[in-house]
Amino acid sequence: EAGVVQSPRYKIIEKKQPVAFWCNPISGHNTLYWYLQNLGQGPELLIRYENEEAVDDSQLPKDRFSAERLKGVDSTLKIQPAELGDSAVYLCASSSHGQGRTDTQYFGPGTRLTVL
Amino acid sequence: GNSVTQMEGPVTLSEEAFLTINCTYTATGYPSLFWYVQYPGEGLQLLLKATKADDKGSNKGFEATYRKETTSFHLEKGSVQVSDSAVYFCALRKTGNQFYFGTGTSLTVIP
Repeated sequence: EAGVVQSPRYKIIEKKQPVAFWCNPISGHNTLYWYLQNLGQGPELLIRYENEEAVDDSQLPKDRFSAERLKGVDSTLKIQPAELGDSAVYLCASSSHGQGRTDTQYFGPGTRLTVL
Repeated sequence: GNSVTQMEGPVTLSEEAFLTINCTYTATGYPSLFWYVQYPGEGLQLLLKATKADDKGSNKGFEATYRKETTSFHLEKGSVQVSDSAVYFCALRKTGNQFYFGTGTSLTVIP
């Protein structure tokens, strides 16, 4: 079974430029998460989707961050414009619930963003 | 609210030493508890989990027991190896698929 796929793995941009990250969750997982991980810290939730609905986006800085999961499968997280403080690792994770529920998140390798 | 507190690192041990990483949590109800491990340059990987009080999760020689009376889920391993060097995260899951992570504990095992 393929794991959570993220791309790109690394991205370097100048401040004020836009950037987008892509995530493809494990097949059949209806819950998808985007996390921000700063150096030396644990993951902090940005947004959580149940199928195509964003059910928790309270920590997403909506003035510059946006996300979508149009068909309830893969997802894109965008930053526009990027700021120096956005340099971090952006993690995507997925889990399933309902029948066959796993109660566990599976993480992708992350995208390391550097804003210059 | 819900939160997870881990012992601060970094932790440095000699190979074959005994490991304990403390984790306590604050939550209402009956959360599921997890330990994740993150190797350099990689995403988090599930190490073990426990879903109810007194459950013991185990994997790769690591163990943790869900202690509701002390709201703890301490990670232990009897004999660490160099390959165990990584960052370890304690986490809890509330109903509604909400996860909360600790800040991580860095472990370095020296030969």
